[in-house]
Amino acid sequence: NAGVMQNPRHLVRRRGQEARLRCSPMKGHSHVYWYRQLPEEGLKFMVYLQKENIIDESGMPKERFSAEFPKEGPSILRIQQVVRGDSAAYFCASSPPGTPREQYFGPGTRLTVT
Amino acid sequence: SQQGEEDPQALSIQEGENATMNCSYKTSINNLQWYRQNSGRGLVHLILIRSNEREKHSGRLRVTLDTSKKSSSLLITASRAADTASYFCATKGDSGSRLTFGEGTQLTVNP
Repeated sequence: NAGVMQNPRHLVRRRGQEARLRCSPMKGHSHVYWYRQLPEEGLKFMVYLQKENIIDESGMPKERFSAEFPKEGPSILRIQQVVRGDSAAYFCASSPPGTPREQYFGPGTRLTVT
Repeated sequence: SQQGEEDPQALSIQEGENATMNCSYKTSINNLQWYRQNSGRGLVHLILIRSNEREKHSGRLRVTLDTSKKSSSLLITASRAADTASYFCATKGDSGSRLTFGEGTQLTVNP
């Protein structure tokens, strides 16, 4: 059973470009979470999704950021018009149905905005 | 202080010694989890302790939870150089599914 997969592992974008980060949850997991980690800091929750539904997006900036988890395919975190402050590691986690929901993390995507 | 705040921020010990890290939180929780992160890598789940549990063991790891003090501790016994990493506690509230992470403790185990 493969773990949570994220791609790309590293992404470099110039200011103003778009960044698309992908996350494939573990097999059988229907819940996906996105977290952002700034250098030397802990992870900060961004958004929680189930298939075709955004359950909690309270941690996601209102502008430029969006997330989806379609019926088929990976979850996508999209950042439009990136700025230098968006440089961070973005982690995706997935969990199976039921509680408590232990979250399994992917290796992360390191976004660098130049 | 923030929810899920670890103490100390950094800890340096010799191989074979025990390492203890503490975590404090503010709000009511459903469970508390500890994760390890090696430099530049993803998070590895170590252990989950439910709010109605007081202590849990997994190999060389021992986690305690005191809900009256809103604190938890992670003890790593007989540490190894390979234990060098950042350790984060994360809390899950009574409602919702998000995890709230602390800032982490950087553990260095010297050979």
